[in-house]
This record gives sequence, C-alpha cells and structure tokens, in this order.
Amino acid sequence: DIQMTQSPSSLSASVGDRVTITCRASQGISTFLNWYQQKPGKAPKLLIYAASSLQSGVPSRFSGSGSGTDFTLTISGLQPEDFATYYCQQTYSTLFFTFGPGTKVEIK
Amino acid sequence: QITLRESGPTLVKPTQTLTLTCTFSGFSLSTPMLGLGWIRQPPGQALEWLALIYWNDDKRYRPSLESRLTITKDAPKNQVVLTMTNMDPVDTATYYCAHFRAIPAGRWFDPWGQGTLVTVSS
Repeated sequence: DIQMTQSPSSLSASVGDRVTITCRASQGISTFLNWYQQKPGKAPKLLIYAASSLQSGVPSRFSGSGSGTDFTLTISGLQPEDFATYYCQQTYSTLFFTFGPGTKVEIK
Repeated sequence: QITLRESGPTLVKPTQTLTLTCTFSGFSLSTPMLGLGWIRQPPGQALEWLALIYWNDDKRYRPSLESRLTITKDAPKNQVVLTMTNMDPVDTATYYCAHFRAIPAGRWFDPWGQGTLVTVSS
C-alpha cells in the first residue's frame, strides 16, 4: 500500500500570507497526486489534479508542484475563504487510492 | 453540470447491511475513462476511499474492507449502489459519492455529492 503523509498537520496564518503544505508518498507516484479543500460540514472540493494542474474555477493563488514522492500545495496570498482542511490524494495505484491525513489551516 | 446525491438510511444497527445509492446527472457512466467512487469520513477524521466502479464495470475496493463491500452500477438509471455488510459502530461516518475521471497523466474525484451521515448504533 502507498502511504501518504502531510506536514504540517495544522498551521496558523494571516490573511495575505503565503502558505505551503507538503505531501509525501511512501513510494514514487509520478504526478498522480491531487489536492482537495474541505470546509466544515461540506464535501471536499478538488483544487489541483495531476500534481500541478489547476481545476477549472479554482483561484490562481492555488498552485501545486512536485513529482515522484514529494509534493507541495502553495496558497499565494491567503484569503479568508481559504481557511479549511487540505487533503492530498494519490491515484497512482489503481488498486488502492489513498488520502493524506489532512492539514488544517487556521486563522492566526 | 455534474451533480451527485447520496441516499440511504441515516441509522443502521450493528451487523446490519448498509445500502447507499448515488444518483447522478450530467454525465454517462458508459463514457470511457469515467467512473464513480465512494469515500467516507468518520466524524473529525480524514477521508477514506472505499470503492470505485469504472465505465467498463471494472471495480476496485479498499483491501481492508473488500470482503464487506459491493459496488454496482445501473447506467441507464444513472445510479450506483454501494452495499456494506456487517456494519459496526466504527463504520459511523459521512459517506460521499464522487465523479471520477482518468486521463493519461492523472485520475481524480470531482465533483462530490453533499454526503450522507450514517450512524451505526443499536
């Protein structure tokens, strides 16, 4: 099984800050890595697919990078509506898709 | 516009079988490279992928739950059904269905249904 880890598990940031969240896979997954945003009581929303492709309708302040085992989600200029939990997900293994444990972004 | 909606019981007893239905619109599950998946989230915990059915009826299950899960599709009715046997209180979670798409460079779930909370309790 491919295990996914995220760091940090939580962070506090201010509006306007640049925020970086890291996701690491236990083995190489090429660019089969997605990022989702989830707000309390809501379904997850796809932000980034294939490691760096921005989903239609998602603000350009969100960006993703990486390949292999190490990936990054960056929010350039945090907005009030960005306070949420962010999950990475690998879809390299077609037998078993795995989500990371999540990173909660809170207001400082 | 793609929409999905989960339906099923909100409360099941331990050992019972859970049957959830995802009714969708805006796409056909007969279209190549598409699929529909189920993901759950216990209260306050992370997302957990459960099952996926592809346009060609190929199916994938979470290995630790494979013996308890069955996913089927009714393409003309635009529905996918997930059954989970021998429910236990630890299966209490919000269950989501989600549209799945695959391209050579990636595979992802988008959009998702609103989710349905299933509580397992006697």
